[in-house]
Amino acid sequence: GEDVEQSLFLSVREGDSSVINCTYTDSSSTYLYWYKQEPGAGLQLLTYIFSNMDMKQDQRLTVLLNKKDKHLSLRIADTQTGDSAIYFCAEMGSDSWGKLQFGAGTQVVVTP
Amino acid sequence: DGGITQSPKYLFRKEGQNVTLSCEQNLNHDAMYWYRQDPGQGLRLIYYSQIVNDFQKGDIAEGYSVSREKKESFPLTVTSAQKNPTAFYLCASNIQGAGAFFGQGTRLTVV
Repeated sequence: GEDVEQSLFLSVREGDSSVINCTYTDSSSTYLYWYKQEPGAGLQLLTYIFSNMDMKQDQRLTVLLNKKDKHLSLRIADTQTGDSAIYFCAEMGSDSWGKLQFGAGTQVVVTP
Repeated sequence: DGGITQSPKYLFRKEGQNVTLSCEQNLNHDAMYWYRQDPGQGLRLIYYSQIVNDFQKGDIAEGYSVSREKKESFPLTVTSAQKNPTAFYLCASNIQGAGAFFGQGTRLTVV
């Protein structure tokens, strides 16, 4: 079945860039998503990329997609303490009826 | 404001009791989903519905039931058959391709 993998933890200093990586196995993925979850809250959609794109930039966020290697990354520029959260990568296949397959999440801790 | 509302925020269940989690959306989305989140794990799909009066089992449907009588509402019942129900439950809705939008979650604890 489909599988999405992420590293579990990332520590970054305030003002530096963060890079969160994700790999997936479903070659039919049409959309790939990044979500942010703060403690005790639901998931907030940060950004997404269509599978025929290789990059998308949205303010401080840059998404890179290497479809050949099935590798997705999220770069957060000028990381702030408010960026401390769990970040989830998710993919949607072409025939999945909108269902998302999630990774286990990357805990990002921003230190002053 | 448009969005997804889950209630209650916290819920306590006794052994052998059924409980129902509410999910309402005013986004006019056709599709709705229930996910379960356990500590240190990603989200796992319980049930989903693409249209009123129709729903499908997800990856971990055993011990759960749903209904979809109205487009706006997709309640989840955690039955006594669910042996390990303590978890964070998230409801979502979406338009194909635009990504799923999530409620704020319900934390269910067995006491």
